[in-house]
Amino acid sequence: EDQVTQSPEALRLQEGESSSLNCSYTVSGLRGLFWYRQDPGKGPEFLFTLYSAGEEKEKERLKATLTKKESFLHITAPKPEDSATYLCAVRFYILTGGGNKLTFGTGTQLKVEL
Amino acid sequence: DVKVTQSSRYLVKRTGEKVFLECVQDMDHENMFWYRQDPGLGLRLIYFSYDVKMKEKGDIPEGYSVSREKKERFSLILESASTNQTSMYLCASSHQENTEAFFGQGTRLTVV
Repeated sequence: EDQVTQSPEALRLQEGESSSLNCSYTVSGLRGLFWYRQDPGKGPEFLFTLYSAGEEKEKERLKATLTKKESFLHITAPKPEDSATYLCAVRFYILTGGGNKLTFGTGTQLKVEL
Repeated sequence: DVKVTQSSRYLVKRTGEKVFLECVQDMDHENMFWYRQDPGLGLRLIYFSYDVKMKEKGDIPEGYSVSREKKERFSLILESASTNQTSMYLCASSHQENTEAFFGQGTRLTVV
């Protein structure tokens, strides 16, 4: 069964305390892995796309990496404004019926405190 | 910037009503999606479309239908709203098969 699992569910960090969020997946025909940030009451905001194992993307304090089974979102020296829910999504090809599907994990709720 | 616009931010409907949620994107994207988001369950795919007049069921299509008569517009229809359809509904679009999806601001629907 195609699955996307994120851990931990919630994470509390002190400002400046680096950490990593995990997204593991079991899908066939991976077409891409995506990271989003979501603030309360808003739609998810796109952060990164990763397509193949070994790929890395960076933006400010965030860095996303990908292996054949999982992805990590590394947060370096976080600030309170990095507090949000971080969502991982996997796009994979549907063998029957055509098209492709985008499936999300349940997210990691990050809180960064002063 | 890509813009995905949902017709309402907040909506309150009565049980049994037919409800239309509209979504419009301005980037000529082929793929469009409807999700609902509930605490502890994350985003769950209701329906998606990869071309005009094409639709595919997602993980939880029961009680919903969709319409895509024009490329830029994807509508979600609740044929007879029920209280268990109270949720945040999110529309998204993407250009090609393997590119990122962009989301609208969401519609918080309450069925009373």
